[in-house]
Amino acid sequence: GAGVSQSPRYKVTKRGQDVALRCDPISGHVSLYWYRQALGQGPEFLTYFNYEAQQDKSGLPNDRFSAERPEGSISTLTIQRTEQRDSAMYRCASSSGQGLEQFFGPGTRLTVL
Amino acid sequence: GESVGLHLPTLSVQEGDNSIINCAYSNSASDYFIWYKQESGKGPQFIIDIRSNMDKRQGQRVTVLLNKTVKHLSLQIAATQPGDSAVYFCAENKAAGNKLTFGGGTRVLVKP
Repeated sequence: GAGVSQSPRYKVTKRGQDVALRCDPISGHVSLYWYRQALGQGPEFLTYFNYEAQQDKSGLPNDRFSAERPEGSISTLTIQRTEQRDSAMYRCASSSGQGLEQFFGPGTRLTVL
Repeated sequence: GESVGLHLPTLSVQEGDNSIINCAYSNSASDYFIWYKQESGKGPQFIIDIRSNMDKRQGQRVTVLLNKTVKHLSLQIAATQPGDSAVYFCAENKAAGNKLTFGGGTRVLVKP
């Protein structure tokens, strides 16, 4: 595709429900990153993949958060038993290689009621 | 995380003037620095980057300056235009990893 796409763009859920956020990186991009961005702040790193391998998950807040990229392309960020504090913009980015320019997607706005 | 919220530092600039946005970074091990522009409702967009073996890099209408002694990064925008109105973030990366660490943003408002 022309750029990084994410779906859904908006997700409203009730506390305690599980949510799955999808990221479709730029075609051929090796590296894929997940960030979380609070209003008025810069993105905060969550995790990243090279191909299908999760290289660093040190930014995931707790074990309710997980991510996968089983075929080295599309990635899913899953949040189990959502809490109100999980409400944020979740952004995905991809790059053609490690250490290179990261292209960001439009984000998924998650609201937990 | 902490709640900086909506109170971003704001730089108001007259159209046609030059803008300078500053950023302090914290990690001496960082060797790659990037400036991103974020317009309302959109994801961050790459502007320019610089590696730690350089102290200046120029792009189209933009210049990034790196002072490793005081861990300071700046972005200069020449002849600022209305389309430059956005929030600007600096980010740093360490050679050993791919984790981008973003600084606090600066809102640039261009007055016609």
